[in-house]
Amino acid sequence: RKEVEQDPGPFNVPEGATVAFNCTYSNSASQSFFWYRQDCRKEPKLLMSVYSSGNEDGRFTAQLNRASQYISLLIRDSKLSDSATYLCVVNGNTGGFKTIFGAGTRLFVKA
Amino acid sequence: EPEVTQTPSHQVTQMGQEVILRCVPISNHLYFYWYRQILGQKVEFLVSFYNNEISEKSEIFDDQFSVERPDGSNFTLKIRSTKLEDSAMYFCARSTGDSGNTIYFGEGSWLTVV
Repeated sequence: RKEVEQDPGPFNVPEGATVAFNCTYSNSASQSFFWYRQDCRKEPKLLMSVYSSGNEDGRFTAQLNRASQYISLLIRDSKLSDSATYLCVVNGNTGGFKTIFGAGTRLFVKA
Repeated sequence: EPEVTQTPSHQVTQMGQEVILRCVPISNHLYFYWYRQILGQKVEFLVSFYNNEISEKSEIFDDQFSVERPDGSNFTLKIRSTKLEDSAMYFCARSTGDSGNTIYFGEGSWLTVV
């Protein structure tokens, strides 16, 4: 099983749609979780951290299910500018802060 | 908080040559990383650097690679005897070092080996 696994997509959605991404991780000892956004040939940028209680930032909602070892990201009212690759990121805190990135899910939002 | 600055933004080098990529962080940061992303592939961890020492490295980070912080400011990744497959974007990153350890990336250095 891959350390961090995501559906590569692409997800093609119209503007205004709601879209959800899931991610699974293999290391049950993982301690912190994030969603990053990466535009083509740019650096990954932090979108949001993911907490066990779930958290929301505007149109974005992230949730963590430790028992099932998966993380989700929900985007409501999609905008054209949301088109990007969304990276699921898991930090094992193995003493050296080794952070593992998923391969990403491509999202295309169309007018 | 400001991120890190990387130089060069793009470098083309001949196979077999040595390359040094530089990262200029804010002086009070303690945790630094190098990541690599081959075009079309995922971001891969190379090495983490804490308190001027390597704290963890991946299988990719073999004897061809080395990291240094020679003057307490610049943080460098040296790639010896480059191969075609070393062509990638190399990201320097820093982290908060707290329990969440959020990673913040520089803009990256594109390395093309020909």
